[in-house]
Amino acid sequence: ETGVTQTPRHLVMGMTNKKSLKCEQHLGHNAMYWYKQSAKKPLELMFVYSLEERVENNSVPSRFSPECPNSSHLFLHLHTLQPEDSALYLCASSQVSGTGKGKLFFGSGTQLSVL
Amino acid sequence: RKEVEQDPGPFNVPEGATVAFNCTYSNSASQSFFWYRQDCRKEPKLLMSVYSSGNEDGRFTAQLNRASQYISLLIRDSKLSDSATYLCVVRGNQFYFGTGTSLTVIP
Repeated sequence: ETGVTQTPRHLVMGMTNKKSLKCEQHLGHNAMYWYKQSAKKPLELMFVYSLEERVENNSVPSRFSPECPNSSHLFLHLHTLQPEDSALYLCASSQVSGTGKGKLFFGSGTQLSVL
Repeated sequence: RKEVEQDPGPFNVPEGATVAFNCTYSNSASQSFFWYRQDCRKEPKLLMSVYSSGNEDGRFTAQLNRASQYISLLIRDSKLSDSATYLCVVRGNQFYFGTGTSLTVIP
């Protein structure tokens, strides 16, 4: 266990569905991330929350909507997705300041299939 | 130019072999360097941090050359369980990932 819990592990949804991915970190970190990993591509950063403030949004389509209610929880709300959005979605956390700064810890990922 | 470049492989090596992976990064101001291991359809897991002085963890040795902006990972006495994709990760103002190098250790 890395201290980052992500659910669900697998998700199949239709293009008209609305679903949410959930992530919780138990490491006391002050930054949380959503990444997308498609086959044969490097991890793509989607969103970063540092100290509960969104600091990065890499031109992600609005059908993906993040929410960070506190430093330990992160959600990714999904609606009207497209088949090309099928991928592995990974939550991660890190410490961005102070002692322990540096390493990235991942949740187990959500394998998403959009039909 | 990509922030982090890795040879994607695949590397197919027999058990007991020594194998080396290389990685280059483009931003000379990068602060931290890591190797992660990722099994198929699983999350990346931290294998080791990489320091300028070089560091070793059992059969794994990592090296950093800041002048050449080059990182390496050496695996000695390969085991079947080492089969995975190895990701080079560089931290600047955010984390940058290579595409990963695929390793298969063959009995």
